[in-house]
Amino acid sequence: GIQVEQSPPDLILQEGANSTLRCNFSDSVNNLQWFHQNPWGQLINLFYIPSGTKQNGRLSATTVATERYSLLYISSSQTTDSGVYFCAGIDSGGGADGLTFGKGTHLIIQP
Amino acid sequence: GAGVSQSPRYKVAKRGQDVALRCDPISGHVSLFWYQQALGQGPEFLTYFQNEAQLDKSGLPSDRFFAERPEGSVSTLKIQRTQQEDSAVYLCASSPRLAAFGEQYFGPGTRLTVT
Repeated sequence: GIQVEQSPPDLILQEGANSTLRCNFSDSVNNLQWFHQNPWGQLINLFYIPSGTKQNGRLSATTVATERYSLLYISSSQTTDSGVYFCAGIDSGGGADGLTFGKGTHLIIQP
Repeated sequence: GAGVSQSPRYKVAKRGQDVALRCDPISGHVSLFWYQQALGQGPEFLTYFQNEAQLDKSGLPSDRFFAERPEGSVSTLKIQRTQQEDSAVYLCASSPRLAAFGEQYFGPGTRLTVT
């Protein structure tokens, strides 16, 4: 199956700072998604982005499918942005039908 | 509209007991997935249904794990003879499209603790 590497594993920032989270895939994927897992464990959909660039408020994401990576940008961080960010994809080479997740980036935004 | 719901939200089982976890997907979604999330890890895929057909069960960790979706809507994940290593959060997700092509939406999860 595919491997998903996320970096950095941990990130501590002051409120108002910008950040970039990265996700590398070992092979081509379909169905690439970014999630925010809040302190109650709920996975919140941020982006469905198999390729290209999308923006939603202070968040944006870019996927370069040919190079097998995706980036999540968070601008003007707020304390409510704290939590774990996951990227995940489905192996386009015919592996499992479910999402393979990275280990996540644990983000802490300090006031 | 209503999202994916799961019940119970918390379950404590004694080792050796059987448990059943329920998932109500978003209405009309053809695809349903189960995942297991251990503490401090990302979710791991267990099994996939397209309508009532279980098309992929490659992630089920043992034959003690069984899932069904008999009418193509509600799904149940059953774990027989629970072991301590089964303690985890079990997440259900649904999608309006087939597995490789649709955005997945997750429920709040069931936290299972085996004592």
